[in-house]
Amino acid sequence: QVQLVESGGGVVQPGRSLRLSCAASGFTFSSYAMHWVRQAPGKGLEWVAVLSYDGSTEYCADSVKGRFTISRDNSKSTLYLQMNSLRAEDTAVYYCARPPPGYYYMDVWGKGTTVTVSS
Amino acid sequence: DIQMTQSPSSLSASVGDRVTITCRASQGISNYLAWYRQKPGKAPNLLIYAASTLQSGVPSRFSGSGSGTDFTLTISGLQPEDAATYYCQKYNSAPLTFGQGTRLEIK
Repeated sequence: QVQLVESGGGVVQPGRSLRLSCAASGFTFSSYAMHWVRQAPGKGLEWVAVLSYDGSTEYCADSVKGRFTISRDNSKSTLYLQMNSLRAEDTAVYYCARPPPGYYYMDVWGKGTTVTVSS
Repeated sequence: DIQMTQSPSSLSASVGDRVTITCRASQGISNYLAWYRQKPGKAPNLLIYAASTLQSGVPSRFSGSGSGTDFTLTISGLQPEDAATYYCQKYNSAPLTFGQGTRLEIK
């Protein structure tokens, strides 16, 4: 069945870097754009970034622009989020999510991976 | 950027009740509006897209309406499993903003 599994979360000091991964299965990954969405503890959902099916087009939230990079390896059916210059406010559960072709809402979600930025 | 504002922020209702949650966009977004339900400790799941189209597998007690700037999510015949936080999201263009959420408690 369609599945998204995030990994790579953990505890990291402010200013350091972390790379998240999202392994996709059960569908043709290379045909779909992909999102990252995050949720700080006790807070609402915040869209982070989206990448087109072929990696040619990306958009990201102002809150992470210049610090986070979304990328993908279609040969490995894997989405990535490289997070640099991490701040305490980046502490959150990070979800990857798949939109249906041609649209940007999210119809499949992973279970999330937790990132804690703390000294 | 377009802002999405949900109301109320929280509400409490009984099993069998009909509840309505409102989402307002600061600018028109046509019908590019989705609704999600997030149960505690779980990932969100899609309920409605295109403002009023029910996602496959979602119970028919959920319905959506609206276009432009004003949208509603209605749950008719509330069930215990509907205790959750509900989010709207615009998806016409980036940034793909979510509303702040509406927490629904079942009495």
